[in-house]
Amino acid sequence: RKEVEQDPGPFNVPEGATVAFNCTYSNSASQSFFWYRQDCRKEPKLLMSVYSSGNEDGRFTAQLNRASQYISLLIRDSKLSDSATYLCVWAAGNKLTFGGGTRVLVKP
Amino acid sequence: GAVVSQHPSRVICKSGTSVKIECRSLDFQATTMFWYRQFPKQSLMLMATSNEGSKATYEQGVEKDKFLINHASLTLSTLTVTSAHPEDSSFYICSARARDRDYGYTFGSGTRLTVV
Repeated sequence: RKEVEQDPGPFNVPEGATVAFNCTYSNSASQSFFWYRQDCRKEPKLLMSVYSSGNEDGRFTAQLNRASQYISLLIRDSKLSDSATYLCVWAAGNKLTFGGGTRVLVKP
Repeated sequence: GAVVSQHPSRVICKSGTSVKIECRSLDFQATTMFWYRQFPKQSLMLMATSNEGSKATYEQGVEKDKFLINHASLTLSTLTVTSAHPEDSSFYICSARARDRDYGYTFGSGTRLTVV
């Protein structure tokens, strides 16, 4: 089983709609979780950290469910510029482990 | 904010030659640098972790004699792909972590290597 698993998508999302997707992880010792965004042929960029209590940053909401070992990302009021690959990342110690990414395509 | 400069952004080389990729932290001291590789439509895979002044720690399956990592200063780490082969063609990305401030992980802009 992969350490981090994501639905690769693509999720085709009408502009203005809401989209949500999950990421499961297998290592219960995972300490910290993040969502990164990666545009085509670019480096990943931190979107937000994920906290157990859930956290929101504008149109983005992230949640962590330690019991079921998954994290989620919800994007409200999708913009065309939200089209990207969203990478689920967990950290243990100094090391980051990346999921394969979920591709989101927002269309007019 | 923290910035990591990675060069070159794109390189094409002949099979059998060596290629050096540089990563510099511009406004902070990076005690730890990470080197990743990403094949098309796949995830970033950690290749090695290097701490300034010490030998790099390689992940399982990564040949240390083929991927030479040097982290001689707190602002510079280099990855040299030796005797490159077409299967080494990939997107290589570095990441740095600061010692004295919690910048988290800052990524370079990546190097697209094509071996012909």
